[in-house]
Amino acid sequence: SQELEQSPQSLIVQEGKNLTINCTSSKTLYGLYWYKQKYGEGLIFLMMLQKGGEEKSHEKITAKLDEKKQQSSLHITASQPSHAGIYLCGADRTQGAQKLVFGQGTRLTINP
Amino acid sequence: DGGITQSPKYLFRKEGQNVTLSCEQNLNHDAMYWYRQDPGQGLRLIYYSQIVNDFQKGDIAEGYSVSREKKESFPLTVTSAQKNPTAFYLCASSMHPGGPRLEQFFGPGTRLTVL
Repeated sequence: SQELEQSPQSLIVQEGKNLTINCTSSKTLYGLYWYKQKYGEGLIFLMMLQKGGEEKSHEKITAKLDEKKQQSSLHITASQPSHAGIYLCGADRTQGAQKLVFGQGTRLTINP
Repeated sequence: DGGITQSPKYLFRKEGQNVTLSCEQNLNHDAMYWYRQDPGQGLRLIYYSQIVNDFQKGDIAEGYSVSREKKESFPLTVTSAQKNPTAFYLCASSMHPGGPRLEQFFGPGTRLTVL
């Protein structure tokens, strides 16, 4: 089983609708990263969360890390075609070197 | 422009051959990483290096080797011992490993297909 579980695995939404992607771990996370990937390309950094209860926003994307630091959510408001892609959460398992583990990804499709 | 480059973008090799994937960064980052991505799965860490002339195994190092002779370069060799080498390989780098957490920057990836 995955160390980090993302849900849903795929998501199709109408343009303009809101959506949420979840990332869950059974262990405490020392750092939680959200990345976006276009198919066949590298990862683009979105946000990093470290403190329980932390919330960050960039344009129409908001990410939160719960108080126990075991779950994070990524929320997109008023989705646009440019939001389409694969969203991956990654997490530090240790307090030292950044040895990230990743969820399996959520494939987001935006229908016009 | 600063960034990470990987070459080639697509690579085809015959079974049993070793192949080396290139990763170069001009961001002056100390740490570099190699990940493997398979369809429907997240990235898995192969090797990482926090400083020149030093590197550590990640979760799936068997069948792979690396070197870190220069700060800006971290090549990955996929050897014939790797049972399922066909995958998308991603290189990343970050500043100050072990210090304040900073994001990892990723290259565009190399898709390796073993025939």
